[in-house]
Amino acid sequence: SYVLTQPPSVSVAPGQTARITCGGNNIGSKSVHWYQQKPGQAPVLVVYDNSDRPSGIPERFSGSNSGNTATLTISRVEAGDEADYYCQVWDSSSDHRVFGGGTKLTVL
Amino acid sequence: EVQLVQSGAEVKKPGESLKISCKGSGYSFTSYWIGWVRQMPGKGLEWMGIIYPGDSDARYSPSFEGQVTISADKSISTAYLQWSSLKASDTAMYYCVRQKGTYFDYWGQGTLVTVSS
Repeated sequence: SYVLTQPPSVSVAPGQTARITCGGNNIGSKSVHWYQQKPGQAPVLVVYDNSDRPSGIPERFSGSNSGNTATLTISRVEAGDEADYYCQVWDSSSDHRVFGGGTKLTVL
Repeated sequence: EVQLVQSGAEVKKPGESLKISCKGSGYSFTSYWIGWVRQMPGKGLEWMGIIYPGDSDARYSPSFEGQVTISADKSISTAYLQWSSLKASDTAMYYCVRQKGTYFDYWGQGTLVTVSS
């Protein structure tokens, strides 16, 4: 089955840029989606189809995808961005939906 | 407004059966896949399976095939996740999700299932 690999944690100072990666075999050929989950809350979609943002999501959130790595970039990080972030793809060969293991973003 | 409203928290004993629900509103329930996602305490998200309420076509993750049953009643816009014999390891938060394209655009509030003797 298809495997997505994320770093367990990323730390960044307020106002700086956070980059959270999601690795997978030829992931650049897939559409990657990203979710934010704050403690005690349900996840929220923040980026879909590699780089599109749902309405209401700040422009500070952006995504890219190429080769074997997809990246969620959060610019001008705020304390309120502290959360767990998960990447997700649809593996067409198995028709399974797959999540990465998640990355905890800490704002220093 | 699209909403997925899940049934309340459950406390069960090992070996008991359980069926939790997810009611959709604000959209055409039969036109979108509805999935279930498990989150064990302190752990990440796991995709369990998905159903198309229009024809009840269901697909399962290999990790959950045979362990749970996903169903839907389109007459009342509700999807279900059920167990015939719970185990302590089923203790988790369960989310229902609406799938649009290949992503999950709406999530339910979650149902906490606790299995303990």
